Formats: sequence, C-alpha cells, structure tokens
Amino acid sequence: ETGVTQTPRHLVMGMTNKKSLKCEQHLGHNAMYWYKQSAKKPLELMFVYSLEERVENNSVPSRFSPECPNSSHLFLHLHTLQPEDSALYLCASSQSHSSASWETQYFGPGTRLLVL
Amino acid sequence: AQTVTQSQPEMSVQEAETVTLSCTYDTSESDYYLFWYKQPPSRQMILVIRQEAYKQQNATENRFSVNFQKAAKSFSLKISDSQLGDAAMYFCAYRSADTGNQFYFGTGTSLTVIP
Repeated sequence: ETGVTQTPRHLVMGMTNKKSLKCEQHLGHNAMYWYKQSAKKPLELMFVYSLEERVENNSVPSRFSPECPNSSHLFLHLHTLQPEDSALYLCASSQSHSSASWETQYFGPGTRLLVL
Repeated sequence: AQTVTQSQPEMSVQEAETVTLSCTYDTSESDYYLFWYKQPPSRQMILVIRQEAYKQQNATENRFSVNFQKAAKSFSLKISDSQLGDAAMYFCAYRSADTGNQFYFGTGTSLTVIP
C-alpha cells in the first residue's frame, strides 16, 4: 500500500485559499493520473501525465492546475475552489500510458478535500 | 465515451456466504479490458481481478471470480466464502485496448459483510 502516497490526507480550505495536493509513486512508473471521486458518481479522470508530459485534460476547470516535475511526483494546485469541488482526490500511476497492455493502475489513499 | 453501470449501490452478505456484484457496460469496441477494484474504508483502492475481452474463460483469483458475458456486456464479480475483510466499495472499470489508457469506472457497490 505504500507504492503511491498522497499528502495531505485531509484538507479544509476556504474558497479564496491556494493549496496543493502532492502525490508520489515509488513504483518506477511512467504515467500518473488525477481522479476526482464524489459520492454516488463514477470516478472522474482529471489529468493524465506520461513521461512528465500532460497527455489528457478532461475539461477540468482552470482552478485546478496540475504539475509533474518528474515521473515520480505529481501535484494538483488548487485556487479559488467552489464548495462543489469537495471530494476525494485520488492519484494513480501505471507503468505506461500505452493501451497495448492490460496493466492496471495503482492508487494512492486519496486526499479528502472540503471547500467551505 | 464508454459507460459502466453498477445497479446495486449497496449489497450485504453473511460471513462465509457467496455474493455476486453486477456490472454492465456499453461499448462498440471488440477488444477491451475489464477490472474490479476494491476500496476499503479509508484505504487505498486495489485491483481485485481483471479480464481480457478476447478471452472466453472467466478469470479467477482465489475466492474471487467473474462471470463475463461479452454479448450481454456483463461482468459480474462473485465473492465466495465472504470474509469480514471483504467489506468495501467495489468498482467495476472498463479500459479500451485501442484508444488510450483511460479507465471508465462505475459508481460503485458498497458491500457489507455481516458476522
């Protein structure tokens, strides 16, 4: 369970705050992902990075800004969020971004975010 | 985009009994992968079992097995000899073999195991 770590585990922020979520993977993977998990909704893929380059951005509002400085670290910078952004934010990694295999993704424990 | 449907928001099972969680999906593709993930309370989501669409044989991992019906686009998970540690949210996921590494998840089924 320590292959993908996320900090902080819990975060409460006001709508005017700026905060960052951090994800680190210790698996030697080349692809990393941000998901938003809300109650009674499917996991929503937000961003995909492959070899430190963003390869997908699923129409995420600009108040969410990802950063991938290297293949082991992924950040999600947050600013001027809305209460509806409250959710569990999951980070995941996989060996590659290729669709040519059935490899799975490995998930972190998530950051529980509450926006007041 | 593909959609994955889990029609059972909550399920319960008596310890040592068998339970089946349902999952259906919508796709026009012929080659893809299907997964079941388990998310225990306050713990990380982990892979339980996976199936390749071009394999007719149902995947099995110890007490976990699937019933894959490709024509019906159904992918149910059977948990045999249920244990207290099986209590969790279970997510079904679909991934195309052709169009990138995006996973499509269902809304999840919360499984309670009754002692």
